Amino acid sequence: DGGITQSPKYLFRKEGQNVTLSCEQNLNHDAMYWYRQDPGQGLRLIYYSQIVNDFQKGDIAEGYSVSREKKESFPLTVTSAQKNPTAFYLCASSIGDPMENSPLHFGNGTRLTVT
Amino acid sequence: DAKTTQPPSMDCAEGRAANLPCNHSTISGNEYVYWYRQIHSQGPQYIIHGLKNNETNEMASLIITEDRKSSTLILPHATLRDTAVYYCIVRVPFHLDTGKLIFGQGTTLQVKP
Repeated sequence: DGGITQSPKYLFRKEGQNVTLSCEQNLNHDAMYWYRQDPGQGLRLIYYSQIVNDFQKGDIAEGYSVSREKKESFPLTVTSAQKNPTAFYLCASSIGDPMENSPLHFGNGTRLTVT
Repeated sequence: DAKTTQPPSMDCAEGRAANLPCNHSTISGNEYVYWYRQIHSQGPQYIIHGLKNNETNEMASLIITEDRKSSTLILPHATLRDTAVYYCIVRVPFHLDTGKLIFGQGTTLQVKP
């Protein structure tokens, strides 16, 4: 089945450590996105990538970094500089063709807890 | 980006139609209306989207008013599994702005037996 896989589902880290969240898709989508969700709130965009080897900051990129070396993969690193890293992190992808208005498809998220 | 306004919560009886309203009075001519839903601790699930015309798929129908300032998502026969937070989102075309989605607070739909 085609889809987006985020792993692990739950992640625990100590304060001051960097942590990398995995996102893999086999939908052959060009565009990929990382969102963050805090309790009772909507999603906020962290980073996005429209094509391999290119990515752009979203609305809340500070304290995060990404890479896009392969079409299928868009890992997110939460650095120690992120002041409030505990959150639910969601990865998404879409076809990305400018002529399409294709929906974003989401993974099932990684819940990160930093203590 | 255009903002959306949704009621914070709604109830619906199982088996009845659920009608979820959304106001987007500042929508631009090239912006689409998208609906997603999110069940607790899962990723948002795409439901439907439209520009001007009403749309229907296997999950739901989307009714957009003629002036495009509001829309209604209709789940024709709600089941308990439709209990979720429903997000109405206005989205610019990909070639203008990354294709990102801006999520508001959504409507919590509670389907009751």
